[in-house]
Amino acid sequence: EDKVVQSPLSLVVHEGDTVTLNCSYEVTNFRSLLWYKQEKKAPTFLFMLTSSGIEKKSGRLSSILDKKELSSILNITATQTGDSAIYLCAVYSNYQLIWGAGTKLIIKP
Amino acid sequence: DVKVTQSSRYLVKRTGEKVFLECVQDMDHENMFWYRQDPGLGLRLIYFSYDVKMKEKGDIPEGYSVSREKKERFSLILESASTNQTSMYLCASSSAFSGNTIYFGEGSWLTVV
Repeated sequence: EDKVVQSPLSLVVHEGDTVTLNCSYEVTNFRSLLWYKQEKKAPTFLFMLTSSGIEKKSGRLSSILDKKELSSILNITATQTGDSAIYLCAVYSNYQLIWGAGTKLIIKP
Repeated sequence: DVKVTQSSRYLVKRTGEKVFLECVQDMDHENMFWYRQDPGLGLRLIYFSYDVKMKEKGDIPEGYSVSREKKERFSLILESASTNQTSMYLCASSSAFSGNTIYFGEGSWLTVV
């Protein structure tokens, strides 16, 4: 059965810290991996990764895919309280999107 | 920008009532989805549709039905609401022409009492 596992499930850090969120997957036919940020409402798109080893970057956020390890990481540097959210990872496999349970990130001032 | 609009943000319904959740997208996406999201369980797919009048069951279709009469509109129907359907419902759309990135609506918080 296809599955996506995120770790940790929750994380509390102080403003200014750097965090690394993990997403690992076991799917039959990998096509792409997506990261989303969800605050109090709907998830918003962050990155789509299809090629191994190529870093995608947007401001203080970056993500990279490792197809050999079947995983991806999302890095956030110099965290701010506005980064507090649930971060969701999803993998496209056989035209279906499989979601992880999310990592709840809390940034303390 | 893609816009996915869910007509109801917060609803409170009684057990046994019929509930309609409406979703409209404005980007001519062929794919539309309904998810529910519960703490600790992540996003679970209820139904999806890849074309007008087409629908496919997701992971948890029991107790739900859907309707897609027009390309831009995808409705979720709870025929007889039950308390275990209290949840946040998210509508989403995507298109192969935009890389299959999924765009979500704002979410509908449904409480069944």
